Amino acid sequence: GAGVSQSPSNKVTEKGKDVELRCDPISGHTALYWYRQSLGQGLEFLIYFQGNSAPDKSGLPSDRFSAERTGGSVSTLTIQRTQQEDSAVYLCASSFSQGSYEQYFGPGTRLTVT
Amino acid sequence: DQQVKQNSPSLSVQEGRISILNCDYTNSMFDYFLWYKKYPAEGPTFLISISSIKDKNEDGRFTVFLNKSAKHLSLHIVPSQPGDSAVYFCAASGPHFNKFYFGSGTKLNVKP
Repeated sequence: GAGVSQSPSNKVTEKGKDVELRCDPISGHTALYWYRQSLGQGLEFLIYFQGNSAPDKSGLPSDRFSAERTGGSVSTLTIQRTQQEDSAVYLCASSFSQGSYEQYFGPGTRLTVT
Repeated sequence: DQQVKQNSPSLSVQEGRISILNCDYTNSMFDYFLWYKKYPAEGPTFLISISSIKDKNEDGRFTVFLNKSAKHLSLHIVPSQPGDSAVYFCAASGPHFNKFYFGSGTKLNVKP
């Protein structure tokens, strides 16, 4: 079956512009996670959704970052007024439920802010 | 403040020998630990996990060891194969699996 997909795969944007990153989880997976990986760093937790609600937003780095999930499926991560330090690979993962530890990751979106 | 640390950024091993990847954590509330493998331009894929109530879990060539008193876990791959060359991340979670903490990864190179 289809895995987690993310779009775009690459995004180059100018500093100050807004960007939207999209994640399509595996069908039937209720839990969805966003991470980012900066150069040479590990995966940094950003936000977690269970269904459409986000009980844990503690990882969002600033109020320029927001995320939503509609219909318990597709999620978008929006970064407003991008800064150069936002450059990273943004990874999305889904799992069958909150109680499931195995996450399935998408290939990521590489964001470059110039 | 990194709660999960992988202090070796890279490891090189000869094919057929054992690969040992290490991970340390600081939060004693973590009760589930995982290893993920990542190839370039792909997302990480789940490899093996261990609950805090165990000290060892084995799956084929892969074994994870957990030392709770030392807050240390390790992944053993034996025998190592060239296809195992990838970046390995360890991760930890509390009981509700709503937040995972990842290390910075160890790049394993298995030489033929």
